[in-house]
Amino acid sequence: GAVVSQHPSWVICKSGTSVKIECRSLDFQATTMFWYRQFPKQSLMLMATSNEGSKATYEQGVEKDKFLINHASLTLSTLTVTSAHPEDSSFYICSASTGTGDYGYTFGSGTRLTVV
Amino acid sequence: DQQVKQNSPSLSVQEGRISILNCDYTNSMFDYFLWYKKYPAEGPTFLISISSIKDKNEDGRFTVFLNKSAKHLSLHIVPSQPGDSAVYFCAARQTGANNLFFGTGTRLTVIP
Repeated sequence: GAVVSQHPSWVICKSGTSVKIECRSLDFQATTMFWYRQFPKQSLMLMATSNEGSKATYEQGVEKDKFLINHASLTLSTLTVTSAHPEDSSFYICSASTGTGDYGYTFGSGTRLTVV
Repeated sequence: DQQVKQNSPSLSVQEGRISILNCDYTNSMFDYFLWYKKYPAEGPTFLISISSIKDKNEDGRFTVFLNKSAKHLSLHIVPSQPGDSAVYFCAARQTGANNLFFGTGTRLTVIP
């Protein structure tokens, strides 16, 4: 089945630094990838939709200059949290769409970001 | 605005009994519904789905029921097993869109 690899699984960074999270589709081409954020005991909130070769579409309230998304190939999308602050600490999950069927959404294992 | 809601944050069930997880939605444009299972610090894993043209879909121990008029769906797990203990999210997709809207999740604990 479709596999999405997300890296790193956890990261601790200092306030003001930037962190890059990678999301790779290992055995399929993903024209569309999604980035979600989950706060403790809350739902997965869609941050942005990333399409290969074009600019990402951000959801309302998500700062595109802070959460930089790059989808340079059909198998890789990256999310960079720039100038991270403690309130950016969260669980970030990517999802890749094959565009077809029930298994059209495959999720990565998530990244726990802690900003200190 | 939470378009997909799971009003029960937690549910405990005895092993062997039925687990029923509920989900309500507000957007009548949703045409596809999915259930995901999630363990801590992991991404969601697809469980079962249902199209809006159906009212029931069954896969082994898992059955999803959809009541469009009530904008309600439920996931039945029978018999429940301790390995089913996890957080379950329902999700919905809108006609013509690609992204999913998630509920807030229900933590299921199956007691041996």
